[in-house]
Amino acid sequence: AQKVTQAQTEISVVEKEDVTLDCVYETRDTTYYLFWYKQPPSGELVFLIRRNSFDEQNEISGRYSWNFQKSTSSFNFTITASQVVDSAVYFCALNTGNQFYFGTGTSLTVIP
Amino acid sequence: DVKVTQSSRYLVKRTGEKVFLECVQDMDHENMFWYRQDPGLGLRLIYFSYDVKMKEKGDIPEGYSVSREKKERFSLILESASTNQTSMYLCASSLWLAGGVYNEQFFGPGTRLTVL
Repeated sequence: AQKVTQAQTEISVVEKEDVTLDCVYETRDTTYYLFWYKQPPSGELVFLIRRNSFDEQNEISGRYSWNFQKSTSSFNFTITASQVVDSAVYFCALNTGNQFYFGTGTSLTVIP
Repeated sequence: DVKVTQSSRYLVKRTGEKVFLECVQDMDHENMFWYRQDPGLGLRLIYFSYDVKMKEKGDIPEGYSVSREKKERFSLILESASTNQTSMYLCASSLWLAGGVYNEQFFGPGTRLTVL
């Protein structure tokens, strides 16, 4: 069965702190894709990153970085020097075949 | 910019009514999706479509049907709305990439449906 687990329901940090959002996935497929989306208070999900199962290189984009480890089936997301605008719900998702599976989301609040 | 629009941001219906939720995308994407989002459950896939007149069931298709008569439009239909269908409904679209891989999904703003 395919599954995505985001164990952290809510996280609060003070501005400029670093924060890591955890994502653990389950699949028996050897080819799959992992995504992170951001849902700000306005409600519209925004794509952040896609990673395929054959590429375990970590990625950095500005203050955002992603750590993909197949050995632990994890695809964690770190925000460095958090800002108030980072406050949102973040979803991790798994794509296998023609189906998408989303985690339950982590609500991040950055306190000024 | 890819634009996915949904016909209503808020909708209130009565139990037993037939409800139509419309979604339109303007970037010629082959694939379109309907999700519902509930607190503590994340996004759950209801139906998706990979071409005109084609549809596939997602995880929770019961109580819903879909229609895709034109490439840019994907409709979600609640034949007889029930209170447990009160939820946020999100539409998304995406391209196929070479090798049969989905590109990222682009989401609409959502429709918050309340069934009384």
